[in-house]
Amino acid sequence: EAGVVQSPRYKIIEKKQPVAFWCNPISGHNTLYWYLQNLGQGPELLIRYENEEAVDDSQLPKDRFSAERLKGVDSTLKIQPAELGDSAVYLCASSSLEGEQFFGPGTRLTVL
Amino acid sequence: AQSVSQHNHHVILSEAASLELGCNYSYGGTVNLFWYVQYPGQHLQLLLKYFSGDPLVKGIKGFEAEFIKSKFSFNLRKPSVQWSDTAEYFCAVNARGAAGNKLTFGGGTRVLVKP
Repeated sequence: EAGVVQSPRYKIIEKKQPVAFWCNPISGHNTLYWYLQNLGQGPELLIRYENEEAVDDSQLPKDRFSAERLKGVDSTLKIQPAELGDSAVYLCASSSLEGEQFFGPGTRLTVL
Repeated sequence: AQSVSQHNHHVILSEAASLELGCNYSYGGTVNLFWYVQYPGQHLQLLLKYFSGDPLVKGIKGFEAEFIKSKFSFNLRKPSVQWSDTAEYFCAVNARGAAGNKLTFGGGTRVLVKP
């Protein structure tokens, strides 16, 4: 069974530039999560989708961050414009309803 | 709101030593509890989980954890570590029913096992 796929694995951009991350969850998983992981810290939830609906986006900084999951399968997380403090690892996870969360390898973002 | 505290940020030990990592959470309701591991260069993987029943949970690779409800703790243990256990370990809590399947993670503990 294929795991959660994320791309790119690494991204280096200059501040004020836009950036987008892509995630393809495990087939059949209706719930998709985006987490932010800063160095030396645990992951923090940004947004959770049930199918195509964002059911918890309370931690998403909506002034610069946006996400979509148009067909209820893969998802994109965007930052525009990026700031220096956005440098982190962005993790995607998926699960069946109330089930175990499976994590992707993450995208390591460096903002210069 | 729930929170998770992992007491040790870094642990260094020799092979064959015993390992115990502390995890405490704050939430007054019913919880599901997890330990995840992240090996160098790899993604987060589930080590073990507790939903209900026997509070002593056995996971993969010889790890176990004990849920002590009165202490709001879910400590991870392994009797004899190997060099390959070098990794970062995260405790996580899901407040059952409150906000869906939302995990709150602790800050992680980096474990270095010296050969």
